[in-house]
Amino acid sequence: DQQVKQNSPSLSVQEGRISILNCDYTNSMFDYFLWYKKYPAEGPTFLISISSIKDKNEDGRFTVFLNKSAKHLSLHIVPSQPGDSAVYFCAAGAQGANNLFFGTGTRLTVIP
Amino acid sequence: ETGVTQTPRHLVMGMTNKKSLKCEQHLGHNAMYWYKQSAKKPLELMFVYSLEERVENNSVPSRFSPECPNSSHLFLHLHTLQPEDSALYLCASSQEGFPGEKLFFGSGTQLSVL
Repeated sequence: DQQVKQNSPSLSVQEGRISILNCDYTNSMFDYFLWYKKYPAEGPTFLISISSIKDKNEDGRFTVFLNKSAKHLSLHIVPSQPGDSAVYFCAAGAQGANNLFFGTGTRLTVIP
Repeated sequence: ETGVTQTPRHLVMGMTNKKSLKCEQHLGHNAMYWYKQSAKKPLELMFVYSLEERVENNSVPSRFSPECPNSSHLFLHLHTLQPEDSALYLCASSQEGFPGEKLFFGSGTQLSVL
């Protein structure tokens, strides 16, 4: 059973608007979360992370929000740019364990 | 060359073949990983090496055999694979192998087993 779920396989957003990508998890032991971005024919690249002691982390246009009670996190991209078009993966893990659990990804398309 | 390099990019093999996937990292990291991504499934961790010692083996069938001769190189030896093993195999590295460290991925090897 998947421990990290991204229920929206795709999302289209107009350039300049906000993109919101969602992720849900089931394991309450997870205490750190990461987002990766993947372009075609390339490996995933790290984007931003958050630990369970925070509820928000910001890096430029990218902000990740964590709602531990709902076991939900989201990635906000504002303003969205055409170069942001990629597949975004959410991942979660627990301290003391090497395994990182990934979602199936959301394909973001930013329309110029 | 920088980052994490994987070869070959594409591989087609029969079920009786033996082949190897190669990964090299130029980042000075101490930990290396093999991940598998099947169609419409999440990335799954297969193996973790930290300082050339295997620290994780996620119940992977023995037809997959990893090798880490030094901290810069990682191999995945394949033999008698099944068609369901067709997938994208991604290598990654991280600084120390601690949980939560960001991973640096290669571009992957797209494997097709006929």
